[in-house]
Amino acid sequence: EDQVTQSPEALRLQEGESSSLNCSYTVSGLRGLFWYRQDPGKGPEFLFTLYSAGEEKEKERLKATLTKKESFLHITAPKPEDSATYLCAVRDDYKLSFGAGTTVTVRA
Amino acid sequence: DGGITQSPKYLFRKEGQNVTLSCEQNLNHDAMYWYRQDPGQGLRLIYYSQIVNDFQKGDIAEGYSVSREKKESFPLTVTSAQKNPTAFYLCASSGGQVGSYYGYTFGSGTRLTVV
Repeated sequence: EDQVTQSPEALRLQEGESSSLNCSYTVSGLRGLFWYRQDPGKGPEFLFTLYSAGEEKEKERLKATLTKKESFLHITAPKPEDSATYLCAVRDDYKLSFGAGTTVTVRA
Repeated sequence: DGGITQSPKYLFRKEGQNVTLSCEQNLNHDAMYWYRQDPGQGLRLIYYSQIVNDFQKGDIAEGYSVSREKKESFPLTVTSAQKNPTAFYLCASSGGQVGSYYGYTFGSGTRLTVV
């Protein structure tokens, strides 16, 4: 059974303080690792897809990386608008399995 | 604009009552999904459908039912057999190459509360 574990559960950062979120996974055949951003009371929004170890994707202050067992979401010089819950998911044949998420709070 | 529409945004259920959550998409996606989200837990799959007139149970299907009579619509009924229905419910869809890259497109969710 696919398993996705995210850490830490919560992260409080000062504006400009860079940090990383971790997503560890076990899956029989990885068909994609996905990162989503979710704001309170809303549906998740797509950020990145990673397919193979060594792959990296960037978008503004966010950078996602992938190894054979885990993925990292790096937040560089975060701003208050980066505050959200970040979800990681892995894909098998027909569905995505999600981690519990990391809630990031960035203080001005 | 293409997307997924969930309604209502907020729903209140009395004990012993069945309620239906609506999910409509105009993305021409074949597959649709229902997830439940509780604080501190990941999204848990309730039901999914890969084609019209066919659907499968997910990990937590007990107390829920669905139908897929049209490609665009995938309503979820929360029955009185679901003993702890208070949660945030998310509908999603995926299809073809778009689905392979983006995973899912999500609706904005329905928050169900038992009163």
